[in-house]
Amino acid sequence: GIQVEQSPPDLILQEGANSTLRCNFSDSVNNLQWFHQNPWGQLINLFYIPSGTKQNGRLSATTVATERYSLLYISSSQTTDSGVYFCAVTRGPYTGANSKLTFGKGITLSVRP
Amino acid sequence: GAVVSQHPSRVICKSGTSVKIECRSLDFQATTMFWYRQFPKQSLMLMATSNEGSKATYEQGVEKDKFLINHASLTLSTLTVTSAHPEDSSFYICSASRAPRQGLQSEAFFGQGTRLTVV
Repeated sequence: GIQVEQSPPDLILQEGANSTLRCNFSDSVNNLQWFHQNPWGQLINLFYIPSGTKQNGRLSATTVATERYSLLYISSSQTTDSGVYFCAVTRGPYTGANSKLTFGKGITLSVRP
Repeated sequence: GAVVSQHPSRVICKSGTSVKIECRSLDFQATTMFWYRQFPKQSLMLMATSNEGSKATYEQGVEKDKFLINHASLTLSTLTVTSAHPEDSSFYICSASRAPRQGLQSEAFFGQGTRLTVV
């Protein structure tokens, strides 16, 4: 099956700093999503981005599908950005069982005040 | 936006009892839902695919008799952990992807998760 690798595994930032989180995947994908898992375990949708670039406030993401990687940018980090960031992909078409996600191992971000 | 609701968020049960976890899609119909399990400081691992009106599809190594899945309607899937033991203690999360229609992306949404502790 498809492999998803995220780097770095851990990241410590001072509040206000910028960071880049990377997701590499081993095969072509139909769907790529970035999630933030908060301390209570809830997975928050950040971006649906199988290709191209999107921005939402201090966060932006870019996926270069032909080179099989995606980047999540966090600017002016805040302590509330702390948590685990997951990249997840789907290979198959949009419907049914083919839409199951394969997750990377996650990146643990700690933002210190 | 699409919302998936999972209940309960936390449950403690005695060894040998069964626990049912509900997953509902609140504002869209989901013919397929997914159940994941997450151990501390690890990633999400897919357990099974829940199919509305038919049997669930289990991933390799997941005991179908231990983890019973029912998807009786387009908005509800349930996971029942039968005869629970301490090793079943974990964080269980469900997801549903919005069925594609023109102009809509196929995006997965997750429930709040259920933290199961078996004592």
